[in-house]
Amino acid sequence: AQSVAQPEDQVNVAEGNPLTVKCTYSVSGNPYLFWYVQYPNRGLQFLLKYITGDNLVKGSYGFEAEFNKSQTSFHLKKPSALVSDSALYFCAVSAPNRDDKIIFGKGTRLHILP
Amino acid sequence: DGGITQSPKYLFRKEGQNVTLSCEQNLNHDAMYWYRQDPGQGLRLIYYSQIVNDFQKGDIAEGYSVSREKKESFPLTVTSAQKNPTAFYLCASSIGQGVYNEQFFGPGTRLTVL
Repeated sequence: AQSVAQPEDQVNVAEGNPLTVKCTYSVSGNPYLFWYVQYPNRGLQFLLKYITGDNLVKGSYGFEAEFNKSQTSFHLKKPSALVSDSALYFCAVSAPNRDDKIIFGKGTRLHILP
Repeated sequence: DGGITQSPKYLFRKEGQNVTLSCEQNLNHDAMYWYRQDPGQGLRLIYYSQIVNDFQKGDIAEGYSVSREKKESFPLTVTSAQKNPTAFYLCASSIGQGVYNEQFFGPGTRLTVL
């Protein structure tokens, strides 16, 4: 069965510093990987996805993520954090030739400290 | 404006009552989804539909029902059989199958059982 893990419930980063939000996955076959962001009392917003091709994926708001097949990871990164990046971040995984479901991680709360 | 609307934003229900949550999209998406979000548990899939007049159970379908009579509408009924319905409910849609297409989310409905 496919699964996704976000090992950190919360990440604190000072404004201007680089940030990383970790995600690891388990799936048979090639994964499709996604990152979403959720602001308080709102729905999720899509940030970026990896389907195939270049392992470094660039997305919205200056975020990027690197697909690492050997480590089964898809960590979200940003070179310089903004206070407005504070939110709840979800990693998600699906796989081709499976049922039409995406599995979401439990989320990581990112706090950017001014 | 294209997007997904959910109503109401807040809903209060007495025990033993059925309630219906509305989800409408004007994105011309084929697939629609219902998720339940509880603190610290991420998103869990309740039901999904890839085409009009067809839908499948997700991971936590017990106590819920849906219909998909129109492409743009996917209402969710929380029945009295749902043991713990207090949660934040999110509706989403995607072009075609969601396994490699990003999902677009509505703003959510917060249901509280009194």
